[in-house]
Amino acid sequence: DVKVTQSSRYLVKRTGEKVFLECVQDMDHENMFWYRQDPGLGLRLIYFSYDVKMKEKGDIPEGYSVSREKKERFSLILESASTNQTSMYLCASSLTGGRPQHFGDGTRLSIL
Amino acid sequence: ELKVEQNPLFLSMQEGKNYTIYCNYSTTSDRLYWYRQDPGKSLESLFVLLSNGAVKQEGRLMASLDTKARLSTLHITAAVHDLSATYFCAVDLLNTGNQFYFGTGTSLTVIP
Repeated sequence: DVKVTQSSRYLVKRTGEKVFLECVQDMDHENMFWYRQDPGLGLRLIYFSYDVKMKEKGDIPEGYSVSREKKERFSLILESASTNQTSMYLCASSLTGGRPQHFGDGTRLSIL
Repeated sequence: ELKVEQNPLFLSMQEGKNYTIYCNYSTTSDRLYWYRQDPGKSLESLFVLLSNGAVKQEGRLMASLDTKARLSTLHITAAVHDLSATYFCAVDLLNTGNQFYFGTGTSLTVIP
């Protein structure tokens, strides 16, 4: 089975801090994704990556950056955390071509 | 902009009853996915539909895809309490690799 592991289930940070969310997958998937999930808004794509060192903006990239130095690891960075970034963050990975995305357990991030 | 709409957003149904969740999308695609999310948990892949007329069944759930109508349905037969969850559909555009566009989800509660 595919395993997508997010480094933290719950995280509390302060406004203005730089925040790192880590995601690791163990199935050699090319594609990796970061979403945020908010009540009533569903899942919104922040960034995704098709390969090492490649990144593409999703629908809501403002205030975020990403890093993919190794194929199995995809990091989401909040450069200067703000309260409106309090949310559930979900990482996913997939193979290309009609394959489902596999999700991690999520990180519930609170910015105070 | 691609829109993926689910209805209903909230569904409360009695055990033993049948019901259908609808997923409409606004542009051409022949790849559609259904996911389940339990409260506080991540998304679990249920069905992958890759062609017009595709039908998949697992237990009391059956999913179908009509690409001409840009419509997928998730039919619940003789609901049981264990099916209570939020269900998401997602569309995969052919020219964007494996980038998914998610519906806002249908929150299903099955009442004993």
